[in-house]
Amino acid sequence: AQSVTQLDSQVPVFEEAPVELRCNYSSSVSVYLFWYVQYPNQGLQLLLKYLSGSTLVKGINGFEAEFNKSQTSFHLRKPSVHISDTAEYFCAVSERDGNKLVFGAGTILRVKS
Amino acid sequence: DAGITQSPRHKVTETGTPVTLRCHQTENHRYMYWYRQDPGHGLRLIHYSYGVKDTDKGEVSDGYSVSRSKTEDFLLTLESATSSQTSVYFCAISGGRKGETQYFGPGTRLLVL
Repeated sequence: AQSVTQLDSQVPVFEEAPVELRCNYSSSVSVYLFWYVQYPNQGLQLLLKYLSGSTLVKGINGFEAEFNKSQTSFHLRKPSVHISDTAEYFCAVSERDGNKLVFGAGTILRVKS
Repeated sequence: DAGITQSPRHKVTETGTPVTLRCHQTENHRYMYWYRQDPGHGLRLIHYSYGVKDTDKGEVSDGYSVSRSKTEDFLLTLESATSSQTSVYFCAISGGRKGETQYFGPGTRLLVL
């Protein structure tokens, strides 16, 4: 069975600063990896996903993530955040042969002016 | 948007009453899912469906049942609601090239008094 650990429950950062949201997973089989964003009182929106190929994945809103198989990590990064990036971010994993997503507990990104 | 609607969007009910939440999709996707979201737990899978009349349990299925009589509709029923079922409920469908990516509805906020 897979599991996902998001290492920070909250990350405060000033506007225009870089940010990294950390995600580690465990699985005995090959996986797909996802980051979703949830703005207040809204549903989840797909930011980016890793299925195969290049380990550096670019997503919407200037976010990117890097798949590191040896460290079983999929950290999310943005070089310069905006106030509008304030939201909760969820890392999720699924088996390549399965359809079930397992989510981390979420990281709240608070961007301050 | 992925063409998923949920109804109702908000509901307040009393302990012991039955509650049914509806998820409707316009994408003709085979897989549909129900999750609950609670602080500190991320999203947890309740039940999922892989076709009409084909359903299976997820991680937190106790106290919930589902039905899928048409491709476009997936119903979640709380037979006798309890306060521990106060949560935000999300429906999702599988899309993407290999059906590996899940897209989420707007959510239903349920309060059980």
